[in-house]
Amino acid sequence: QQPVQSPQAVILREGEDAVINCSSSKALYSVHWYRQKHGEAPVFLMILLKGGEQKGHEKISASFNEKKQQSSLYLTASQLSYSGTYFCGTYPMNTGFQKLVFGTGTRLLVSP
Amino acid sequence: NAGVTQTPKFQVLKTGQSMTLQCAQDMNHNSMYWYRQDPGMGLRLIYYSASEGTTDKGEVPNGYNVSRLNKREFSLRLESAAPSQTSVYFCASSYSMPDTDTQYFGPGTRLTVL
Repeated sequence: QQPVQSPQAVILREGEDAVINCSSSKALYSVHWYRQKHGEAPVFLMILLKGGEQKGHEKISASFNEKKQQSSLYLTASQLSYSGTYFCGTYPMNTGFQKLVFGTGTRLLVSP
Repeated sequence: NAGVTQTPKFQVLKTGQSMTLQCAQDMNHNSMYWYRQDPGMGLRLIYYSASEGTTDKGEVPNGYNVSRLNKREFSLRLESAAPSQTSVYFCASSYSMPDTDTQYFGPGTRLTVL
């Protein structure tokens, strides 16, 4: 039931782009993205809802393919501050007060 | 506005000891959550409280109990700690249901069980 994230880790130079993918085996109502820096709490980035609505960070973009039950997070012109672990959280359809199920994370390191 | 606060920040226990992790939020949120985070496992939900007066099990509830003391506070208790419960514990809250709402996380409690 845990969503699968890919890649597991990525190393970038400052200014390069990256895409992080999140895939679920269940039909989804929403996908959430969080970033966690080492030793800190996860911080909200974005929510993507079924139907196309998005809420969140202005400088980060993401997509949600409802049919494929997949989401991708696009990090463009990466900055050193983008380093951290990125988690997607998936919320399934039509199951009452369900809980976010988080993936195992993608580690991103941006070097100068 | 402190957001979500957790105490203690660090704790070392011996096998069989008990302890309570405290969590409080000052954002008038209705829903609160307890997660554990282990290396390579991501965040796994232990228990949640959809609203004041209600609690329910998450993915990994065994060995834990919770109390939603009031709207602000949600505590997690380990009755008889085991080494498998060594982890980082995060409390989180959201204004409403987690389908469309942001979760705000506390700073975490790093627990070691010897």
